[in-house]
Amino acid sequence: NAGVTQTPKFQVLKTGQSMTLQCAQDMNHNSMYWYRQDPGMGLRLIYYSASEGTTDKGEVPNGYNVSRLNKREFSLRLESAAPSQTSVYFCASTAGTGWKGYEQYFGPGTRLTVT
Amino acid sequence: QKEVEQDPGPLSVPEGAIVSLNCTYSNSAFQYFMWYRQYSRKGPELLMYTYSSGNKEDGRFTAQVDKSSKYISLFIRDSQPSDSATYLCAMIETTGANSKLTFGKGITLSVRP
Repeated sequence: NAGVTQTPKFQVLKTGQSMTLQCAQDMNHNSMYWYRQDPGMGLRLIYYSASEGTTDKGEVPNGYNVSRLNKREFSLRLESAAPSQTSVYFCASTAGTGWKGYEQYFGPGTRLTVT
Repeated sequence: QKEVEQDPGPLSVPEGAIVSLNCTYSNSAFQYFMWYRQYSRKGPELLMYTYSSGNKEDGRFTAQVDKSSKYISLFIRDSQPSDSATYLCAMIETTGANSKLTFGKGITLSVRP
């Protein structure tokens, strides 16, 4: 099992450019999440999808959109990148049921720089 | 006051030391308590998971929860250089079918050989 995979690993964008971060999991998990991690700020939830076909805003959704393409895939789109979106982005998934259903499995992250 | 507060660090200790990492919280509805470990340039991974007050031991690691004081700790015995990482506490509140996970900001631990 690959677990949670993310592409790309690194990306540099100019202000105003758009891009989509891809995430896929092969654990048949119901719920998927997008976080950003910044120094001194910890992990902050951007959007999540409790199940296929649903998405909800997290703590810092402004400037982002998401798509839960199917049960495996959850993408994050930056329509018009800003320097404030320079961060490390993590995708995570949970089974959502059972005793350890809340355990989050994280991907390796995407390091994004917006100049 | 933030829901979850974690000592900011960083923390540097010599190899073999006992390490104590702590988080406090204000939300009495938190039911599940976790510690994640994050190596440099990697995603976080679950280290310990508990839901009740008391101690849970796993090898050199002990997770302690005190719900009356709203305080959780992670103890690392005989610390090793391989324990050098960022440690994040995390807490879960469940309401019906929904759950909310809140992370602490993390503390970076360095174990010197």
